[in-house]
Amino acid sequence: SQKIEQNSEALNIQEGKTATLTCNYTNYSPAYLQWYRQDPGRGPVFLLLIRENEKEKRKERLKVTFDTTLKQSLFHITASQPADSATYLCALGKYSSASKIIFGSGTRLSIRP
Amino acid sequence: GAVVSQHPSRVICKSGTSVKIECRSLDFQATTMFWYRQFPKQSLMLMATSNEGSKATYEQGVEKDKFLINHASLTLSTLTVTSAHPEDSSFYICSARLVRGGLDTQYFGPGTRLTVL
Repeated sequence: SQKIEQNSEALNIQEGKTATLTCNYTNYSPAYLQWYRQDPGRGPVFLLLIRENEKEKRKERLKVTFDTTLKQSLFHITASQPADSATYLCALGKYSSASKIIFGSGTRLSIRP
Repeated sequence: GAVVSQHPSRVICKSGTSVKIECRSLDFQATTMFWYRQFPKQSLMLMATSNEGSKATYEQGVEKDKFLINHASLTLSTLTVTSAHPEDSSFYICSARLVRGGLDTQYFGPGTRLTVL
């Protein structure tokens, strides 16, 4: 069955460093992959989408890579700040209105000052 | 753009009562909305897919008679938790699907914290 794994449940990073989160998947061939941010007691907020034919996508301090051979996406936050502390979810989707987006369980990122 | 609202944000009710949660897409039309439940420190669990003008599709293990879904318009879906019990206490989140250029993105509401006493 389809499976998404996000590298660790929690990650602690020193402010200013680059945070790297991993999303691995099996038994699935997504057309695209998305990253969301979720703060405690709030709904997830869409951050970035990367298609299967794209290797890298950037948005301000965020960078996402997508390796369909390794079945892996890496999500980087450069020059991390305490305000970046949140849970980050990856999600996989296909080009079909009938298919559902599949979410990973999330990685809780903490940036310490 | 792509804003989704939920109401109420918090609700506390007595066991046995029914609670209705509304999900609205404010600046786009959504033929498909989703309802999720999330327990503390756990991921989103899809409960059902709400389709405008037709019956909702429920995930395995979700009781359709307990969690009534109505998607009466392109901007509104409601989830009614009937005869709520303490084990139904959770964080309920809706999302609205927006398909643009073949890409399917879900925009989430802020969530509703349900506490059943």
